[in-house]
Amino acid sequence: QITLKESGPTLVKPTQTLTLTCTFSGFSFSTGGVGVGWIRQPPGKALEWLALIFWNDDKRYSPSLKSRLTITKDTSKNQVVLTMTNMDLVDTATYYCAHRYDFDYYFDSWGQGTLVTVSS
Amino acid sequence: QSALTQPPSASGSPGQSVTISCTGTSSDVGGYNYVSWYQQYPGKAPKIMIYEVSKRPSGVPDRFSGSKSGNTASLTVSGLQAEDEADYYCSSYAGSNNLEVFGGGTKLTVL
Repeated sequence: QITLKESGPTLVKPTQTLTLTCTFSGFSFSTGGVGVGWIRQPPGKALEWLALIFWNDDKRYSPSLKSRLTITKDTSKNQVVLTMTNMDLVDTATYYCAHRYDFDYYFDSWGQGTLVTVSS
Repeated sequence: QSALTQPPSASGSPGQSVTISCTGTSSDVGGYNYVSWYQQYPGKAPKIMIYEVSKRPSGVPDRFSGSKSGNTASLTVSGLQAEDEADYYCSSYAGSNNLEVFGGGTKLTVL
């Protein structure tokens, strides 16, 4: 069974850098063929794909946010970390991490999400 | 503004069928057979319902079906049940750089 859980600050100030961690179980980067992505959802609004990292360290970013995002993985800890710089009020959202297989184009397992509020 | 266009709302009575559309471009929906549909209840994470346009993951009722014509994909829910009331989001592969784009979501109401 695949499970994922997001962790990080619930409140950040404008201009600060957000660091979120996704800790997962039920799969491993070391066995190959998997990826972990980050998706966010502002309150009452739509989902937005942010970034994705594959088992082979291939990384992809949303073009509109690429300059602010960094995604990394720690295979030994079964974790994926997303950093987003220069946080703004409009970045207030629930941030989800999710699992997909290498050659699939959908997320089959999602974390519960973590709400991040940007406020001074 | 979302990359894919969905109607904000849809509704139907129990037992009826309802179809939700998802319109993109030839760079996403029309260019690949990698359209997915997610169901999301309030306060919960999305759940995959349809992938690769029309395939259902194990455990998803066959009342849910997907199709695509040109740049528009569709999700049809047949035999509506009260538990189908939720938000539905489409997504599509959009090339190696953009990778994935979502629709704006449709709130399905069972009358």
